[in-house]
Amino acid sequence: AQSVTQLGSHVSVSEGALVLLRCNYSSSVPPYLFWYVQYPNQGLQLLLKYTSAATLVKGINGFEAEFKKSETSFHLTKPSAHMSDAAEYFCAASLSGNTGKLIFGQGTTLQVKP
Amino acid sequence: NAGVTQTPKFRILKIGQSMTLQCAQDMNHNYMYWYRQDPGMGLKLIYYSVGAGITDKGEVPNGYNVSRSTTEDFPLRLELAAPSQTSVYFCASSYPDRGGGYTFGSGTRLTVV
Repeated sequence: AQSVTQLGSHVSVSEGALVLLRCNYSSSVPPYLFWYVQYPNQGLQLLLKYTSAATLVKGINGFEAEFKKSETSFHLTKPSAHMSDAAEYFCAASLSGNTGKLIFGQGTTLQVKP
Repeated sequence: NAGVTQTPKFRILKIGQSMTLQCAQDMNHNYMYWYRQDPGMGLKLIYYSVGAGITDKGEVPNGYNVSRSTTEDFPLRLELAAPSQTSVYFCASSYPDRGGGYTFGSGTRLTVV
């Protein structure tokens, strides 16, 4: 079955350190890929998306992600973490034939330590 | 510029009671979705709709029902609530476009006791 896997349910970084959140997908056809962020007691907001144009995608709040077909990955990075980045992050994929419908990973909670 | 509006934000139900979670969008999106979110489990699709009058089951439909009489509204009905339905429920909408992504509501936190 097609799936999205996020490696690490919890990631902790110090303020100012690199943020790396990992996402892998399983699909024979490269999907469209998304990262969403969820702040406490809120809905999900779109951070960035890959739709088969540039493989390096820049999003809001200084985040970016790189699509690597050979590794079936779409990892999310930010060079310098800020306290306000503490949230839950979800990777999602829109797979071939599923027009509009997304499959979500399990989520990664990012903790930022002062 | 409301986007996707969900009501209520919080609700406590007793076992066996029923309720309807409301969802409305004002973006003229064709597609609408209901997900539930449980800790460590990500989001699981309950039901979705590709247009008025058309609905289909997702991954975890048991215990729920939906209807889509208009483009704007997509209510989720819980019949005979069970503790296993304690969760946070999100409604979302999108265009029929793989690259569009979703617009989410702010969620309904439901507790069944």
